[in-house]
Amino acid sequence: GQQVMQIPQYQHVQEGEDFTTYCNSSTTLSNIQWYKQRPGGHPVFLIQLVKSGEVKKQKRLTFQFGEAKKNSSLHITATQTTDVGTYFCAPGGYQKVTFGIGTKLQVIP
Amino acid sequence: DSGVTQTPKHLITATGQRVTLRCSPRSGDLSVYWYQQSLDQGLQFLIQYYNGEERAKGNILERFSAQQFPDLHSELNLSSLELGDSALYFCASSATQGLADTQYFGPGTRLTVL
Repeated sequence: GQQVMQIPQYQHVQEGEDFTTYCNSSTTLSNIQWYKQRPGGHPVFLIQLVKSGEVKKQKRLTFQFGEAKKNSSLHITATQTTDVGTYFCAPGGYQKVTFGIGTKLQVIP
Repeated sequence: DSGVTQTPKHLITATGQRVTLRCSPRSGDLSVYWYQQSLDQGLQFLIQYYNGEERAKGNILERFSAQQFPDLHSELNLSSLELGDSALYFCASSATQGLADTQYFGPGTRLTVL
């Protein structure tokens, strides 16, 4: 199955600061999905990226798929306390779906 | 609400016991996935079923087994439980077999093995 590495594993930011998490794969990905899991909750789908170099925005969230389709990033502008949670990337694959370990974001008010 | 239901919500049992976790997928979804999430760990993929057949296998222990029934609900059986099996078990469903499918997660079953 496709494996990804996500960095950083933990991130503490002051409210209002920006935040970025990176997802790296050793193999070319057909697509990549991002999920968010709030504390005590379950993962919720955020977005899917398919095309090389694709950039998608959701309000303060910007998702990017690398040109080589081997990496992806999620950037949050001006974090808010509602952004707290763990962000997972998941490469879409036919055989196995493997989530990264996730990046746990803490926002200090 | 994702439309995926899981029962029970909490389960406390003893080492050596056997438990069954149940999942009902979203209406119309044919794939069911099972994941294990231990404290501060990522989502460990266990197994996927598609329309009643096993489709993909992850790091599932031999003590664990699953099945998907004709009505598409799925059960995860965990036997000879050990302390290390304590975790949150999520079920997710998707419309088809994968590739670009969005997965919808249930609320999870928290298993505590004492």
